[in-house]
Amino acid sequence: EVDLVESGGGLVQPGRSLRLSCTTSGFIFGDYAMAWVRQAPGKGLEWLGFIRTKTYGGDAVYAASVKGRFTLSRDDSKRIAYLQINSLKTDDTALYYCVRYPSGFFDFWGLGTLVTVSS
Amino acid sequence: EIVMTQSPLSLPVAPGEPASISCRSSQSLLHSNGNNYLNWYLQKPGQSPQLLISLASDRASGVPARFRGSGSGTDFTLTISRVEADDVGVYYCMQGLQTPLTFGGGTKVEIK
Repeated sequence: EVDLVESGGGLVQPGRSLRLSCTTSGFIFGDYAMAWVRQAPGKGLEWLGFIRTKTYGGDAVYAASVKGRFTLSRDDSKRIAYLQINSLKTDDTALYYCVRYPSGFFDFWGLGTLVTVSS
Repeated sequence: EIVMTQSPLSLPVAPGEPASISCRSSQSLLHSNGNNYLNWYLQKPGQSPQLLISLASDRASGVPARFRGSGSGTDFTLTISRVEADDVGVYYCMQGLQTPLTFGGGTKVEIK
């Protein structure tokens, strides 16, 4: 059974940094690109970026709105995907989902981790 | 950026009745490989989104046959043949053809 578990969220002050983790099980992690999607309170879904498999270069692609502040990485040996968020803003307050990205669609979603940015 | 537009915003449906949600993209989602990169998700209250339909018409594993995706190019439809109480939630379409990957604004389905 595919399982994605996000962690690392919490209450953080504006301007600080945070690293979110996505711990996975139930599939060959190294065979899949992984992505992150967020949902602000009461709002819709926003794609943030994805990271390719090592086979396809292991690089990341970002949404323009977060490029330069957000960094995706992955550790295939630990089966974990990471999202580093720098210079947090109040607008970053959202539920952050880790998703598996076979190609063209997201097939499995985690439960999300809540990030609240407030002073 | 491909803009995804869903309608209606809200859809009250009586149990057992059919329901249809429209999704239009600002550019064609038809790839040269013949696939339309349009997906449908359902976010039930208090839950994460779940994949219903990928590539416009491929039902995900475990999705009931009453859900059907159709369309090509820029116009797509999700049809529920007979709505059940468990189908309530917000339905999102999403294009996977090019980055940035974009979602529609969502359609809230509720039971009358």
